[in-house]
Amino acid sequence: GNSVTQMEGPVTLSEEAFLTINCTYTATGYPSLFWYVQYPGEGLQLLLKATKADDKGSNKGFEATYRKETTSFHLEKGSVQVSDSAVYFCALNGNNNDMRFGAGTRLTVKP
Amino acid sequence: GAGVSQSPRYKVAKRGQDVALRCDPISGHVSLFWYQQALGQGPEFLTYFQNEAQLDKSGLPSDRFFAERPEGSVSTLKIQRTQQEDSAVYLCASSPRDRSYEQYFGPGTRLTVT
Repeated sequence: GNSVTQMEGPVTLSEEAFLTINCTYTATGYPSLFWYVQYPGEGLQLLLKATKADDKGSNKGFEATYRKETTSFHLEKGSVQVSDSAVYFCALNGNNNDMRFGAGTRLTVKP
Repeated sequence: GAGVSQSPRYKVAKRGQDVALRCDPISGHVSLFWYQQALGQGPEFLTYFQNEAQLDKSGLPSDRFFAERPEGSVSTLKIQRTQQEDSAVYLCASSPRDRSYEQYFGPGTRLTVT
C-alpha cells in the first residue's frame, strides 16, 4: 500500500540556517504530495502541495519539488526563523484517495 | 473565516466508558475525515464522509468505533467501552470537494483513557 517515510527528528538549527527535511514515498499511480505543519497548540495546517511530477510547491519561503524518479518530496528553506519551530508532516493522497502521513519531524530553531 | 472546530479539546475517560467527540467542519465543505494520531506519530485515517454518506470506514480499528454525520455537516465520533489503547488525539478535517482535495484540520481532541 501507499506509505510515506520522512526524516526522523528532532532537528535543531540556529536562526538563518538552511533546512532540509527528507521525505520519500511509495505509491501506485500518481499521488498528490503535501507538507503539513503543526505549530505548538494548533491544528495541522497545509504548508504546500504538488499534484504532479516536477511540480514545485512553495509557501512562506518553504519549497518542495515532486521528484518521481527518486520518489521524493524533500522540504527546504534557505533561512529558518524561530517562528518556524513546529512539527512538519509529509503526506500523500493516492489514486484511491487515501491520505497517508509520515511520522512527523520536530524542528526547533534557536535564536 | 471560521475553521474546523472540535469539542471537547480534552477528554479523560475511565476504561469502559463511552465517549463522543464532535467535529464542526468548515461551512459548505462536502467531505469530512476523522484521523487518530498517537503520540509521536502521524495521523492515521479512520473514516470519510461525503455529505451524510459514510463512504469509507476501513480505518476504524474495531466495532467499538462509530461515526455519523446525519445532516451532512456536524459529525460525531463515538467510542464505546474505551480501552487504554484508544488514548490518542482524534483529528477531524474537512475538504471543499472530494477526498482528493487538500484537507483543513481542526485542533483535535486529546483522549486519555485511565
